[in-house]
Amino acid sequence: SQELEQSPQSLIVQEGKNLTINCTSSKTLYGLYWYKQKYGEGLIFLMMLQKGGEEKSHEKITAKLDEKKQQSSLHITASQPSHAGIYLCGAAPGGYQKVTFGTGTKLQVIP
Amino acid sequence: DAGITQSPRHKVTETGTPVTLRCHQTENHRYMYWYRQDPGHGLRLIHYSYGVKDTDKGEVSDGYSVSRSKTEDFLLTLESATSSQTSVYFCAISDPGGGSSYEQYFGPGTRLTVT
Repeated sequence: SQELEQSPQSLIVQEGKNLTINCTSSKTLYGLYWYKQKYGEGLIFLMMLQKGGEEKSHEKITAKLDEKKQQSSLHITASQPSHAGIYLCGAAPGGYQKVTFGTGTKLQVIP
Repeated sequence: DAGITQSPRHKVTETGTPVTLRCHQTENHRYMYWYRQDPGHGLRLIHYSYGVKDTDKGEVSDGYSVSRSKTEDFLLTLESATSSQTSVYFCAISDPGGGSSYEQYFGPGTRLTVT
């Protein structure tokens, strides 16, 4: 089965700083999802990347998919306290209905 | 926000008792999913449904059963709850196909404690 490893596991940044979260797959990536989870709440869909080299943005969050490296990166520019939460990547190698998730990256943004 | 509700939101139960969690959607999405989220394991798929009375197992289905008699409702039953089933359970929905995107929309979660 596909495994997704996220790094770092946790991150504390000063407000205004940029940061990057990585998601590396043990198998070929055919599609990669990024979700955000606020503490104690459900997941919120951020974006999906389907093709190698694809890059998408959602407000100040940009994600890229590198098929050769079997990796996706999520970059936040000028972080704000509202960006705090847990970021999870997900992939669906066996079909879009069976998504495997990474263990998440916990982000804290200090004002 | 997608119209997904879960009930109950919190439950404490004793080992050996059956427990049923309910997921209700108002989006008429074809696919529905049950996940559990645990520290160190992330989110893991328990069961999913691709239509009324059509279900399939996920990664961690042992000890769980599901039923879907209506498009809008997906029930997760713990046949005989064990302490290892203490977790936060999330329901999700999606409606892939026809060129539409495949993202899943999640409910608010149910926190289950088995004592």
